Amino acid sequence: DVKVTQSSRYLVKRTGEKVFLECVQDMDHENMFWYRQDPGLGLRLIYFSYDVKMKEKGDIPEGYSVSREKKERFSLILESASTNQTSMYLCASRLQGADTQYFGPGTRLTVL
Amino acid sequence: AQSVTQLDSHVSVSEGTPVLLRCNYSSSYSPSLFWYVQHPNKGLQLLLKYTSAATLVKGINGFEAEFKKSETSFHLTKPSAHMSDAAEYFCVVSEGENDMRFGAGTRLTVKP
Repeated sequence: DVKVTQSSRYLVKRTGEKVFLECVQDMDHENMFWYRQDPGLGLRLIYFSYDVKMKEKGDIPEGYSVSREKKERFSLILESASTNQTSMYLCASRLQGADTQYFGPGTRLTVL
Repeated sequence: AQSVTQLDSHVSVSEGTPVLLRCNYSSSYSPSLFWYVQHPNKGLQLLLKYTSAATLVKGINGFEAEFKKSETSFHLTKPSAHMSDAAEYFCVVSEGENDMRFGAGTRLTVKP
């Protein structure tokens, strides 16, 4: 079974802090994704990566950056956290050319 | 660009009665369509997918969905609800490899 893990289930940070959210997958998938989930809005794509060191902006990249130095790991970075970034963050991975994404359990981030 | 509308934000059924979660989509091409389920404090799990094969798609846990091109719908059904079906359900449309659009979600409540 594909396993996607995220470093924290719950995280509380202060405004202005730099925040790192880590995601690791164990199935050698080329593609990885970061979404944020907000009530009534579903999931919105922040960034995705189709291979190591490759990244593409999604629908809402402002205030975020990403890093993919190794194939199995995809990091989401909030350079200076703000209260409007309080949300659930979901990571997903997918085999190149396949249509199914596999999701991690999510990180609920609260920015005070 | 594709989009998806989940017609009900909340559906409540009694255990043992049928479930209907409605989804309409908009797409310029022949899309792929998915239903994902998210149990409390968990990541998303794929229920079923349509990728231009049979229009009636069977998924896990007794769920199925029918692709109706003339109605641009992909409604999710189950003949008999179980308490463990209580969760949030997301309809997703995809036109390309890195372009998935999520609906806002439907929360299913199952009453004993």
